[in-house]
Amino acid sequence: GENVEQHPSTLSVQEGDSAVIKCTYSDSASNYFPWYKQELGKGPQLIIDIRSNVGEKKDQRIAVTLNKTAKHFSLHITETQPEDSAVYFCARGYNFNKFYFGSGTKLNVKP
Amino acid sequence: GAGVSQSPSNKVTEKGKDVELRCDPISGHTALYWYRQSLGQGLEFLIYFQGNSAPDKSGLPSDRFSAERTGGSVSTLTIQRTQQEDSAVYLCASSMGRGGSPLHFGNGTRLTVT
Repeated sequence: GENVEQHPSTLSVQEGDSAVIKCTYSDSASNYFPWYKQELGKGPQLIIDIRSNVGEKKDQRIAVTLNKTAKHFSLHITETQPEDSAVYFCARGYNFNKFYFGSGTKLNVKP
Repeated sequence: GAGVSQSPSNKVTEKGKDVELRCDPISGHTALYWYRQSLGQGLEFLIYFQGNSAPDKSGLPSDRFSAERTGGSVSTLTIQRTQQEDSAVYLCASSMGRGGSPLHFGNGTRLTVT
């Protein structure tokens, strides 16, 4: 199907702790998996992405893992900071066309 | 331009009126998307343009919704006879299309139907 299931819908962590958001999909043709961060009143901004020929990708405090066999992928944020507080969306696409998004995770990092 | 530009940023209209929302994509981007985001919800796909191909309209919720893209650049999303359930943020995104970059979003148009 088209849907991307995203969990949890809300996540509250203490500053400095790690946060993990998970997404699952069913369309095995999907080969591109971006993650977006949306701050209040703004459009989503790409923070990291991964292609299906890679199992893990890291960019400073942010990492994404992909298990193509199980059709799930996850966002990991380490050493969280208050400015990480936002809504995070996962998405899937096929050859960069017609992206489908998860329902979002509201992350709250408590100082 | 530097990014995807949407106008207006806010629109309040009365039920039954027509509205037009505008999107200026990043220069050179061949693909353009419209999404709808209801309060506290995810992104609902509406329509997708890729180059000169026929648009993918499979996400449009009713025949009151239509969109066009002139000259492969600017796009307009039109909602006719607006209803209160149309109230949402309408997001536009562009990309380089096949084999190119991921989506770049504008800041959206917040539509309120009273």
